Amino acid sequence: NAGVTQTPKFQVLKTGQSMTLQCAQDMNHEYMSWYRQDPGMGLRLIHYSVGAGITDQGEVPNGYNVSRSTTEDFPLRLLSAAPSQTSVYFCASSYSQGTSENTIYFGEGSWLTVV
Amino acid sequence: AQRVTQPEKLLSVFKGAPVELKCNYSYSGSPELFWYVQYSRQRLQLLLRHISRESIKGFTADLNKGETSFHLKKPFAQEEDSAMYYCALKNTGRRALTFGSGTRLQVQP
Repeated sequence: NAGVTQTPKFQVLKTGQSMTLQCAQDMNHEYMSWYRQDPGMGLRLIHYSVGAGITDQGEVPNGYNVSRSTTEDFPLRLLSAAPSQTSVYFCASSYSQGTSENTIYFGEGSWLTVV
Repeated sequence: AQRVTQPEKLLSVFKGAPVELKCNYSYSGSPELFWYVQYSRQRLQLLLRHISRESIKGFTADLNKGETSFHLKKPFAQEEDSAMYYCALKNTGRRALTFGSGTRLQVQP
C-alpha cells in the first residue's frame, strides 16, 4: 500500500513550457485534490475531484487543468508555465464523506521551479 | 466564506517549555478542524482532529466554539517537535481543506 504517490519530485521548467504532475493513490479513495504551498500562504486548493469523471475548481485554478479518468489517478497540467507557478505542489486523497474516516492523506510533494 | 487564521509565523521555545500554537477560524456551520504537521521536506501528516479528542505525541487541541479557536498545546516541548504546523478546516462542500498560513515551531536545546 503506497498511499498517495506524486511524480516528479523536482522539476525545472522554462516560462511557456507545459508539463503534467502525476498523482496516483491505491486506497480506492473517491476524493482527490491538488494544493500548492507557498511561503506565508499555507496550502491553497487548486482543483479537486469527488470521483472519476468529476472535477471542479478550488481557490487558485487559473493556469492549471485536471482530469479524472480513473479513481486512482488525478494529474495536474500546467498549460503554459509562469514564474508565479513556482511552488511546491501536493496531491491529496480521502474517503467518501459517507464514511467515518475523514482523514485526508497527502503525497510527498513536487517541487516546481519556473525560470 | 470560511477562513483559518494562524497569527504566528514563527514560535521559538526552549526544550521543556510549554507550547501553544494559535488557530482561529470563521465558519458558519458546524466546523471540523484538524492539525497537520510537516517535518522538514516531508509530506503533511495528520496530527490530530477535534472530533476524536485524542492526544498525539503529547499534543492536544480543544475546539472552543465561543472563541472560534482550536489552539494546539503541549506541556513540554521536545526538539523533535520542530516542524511546520498547519491548522485546517474541512470544507464539506469541496471535500477538501482550508488551511491556515502555518506556524513554524522551533524548539531550541
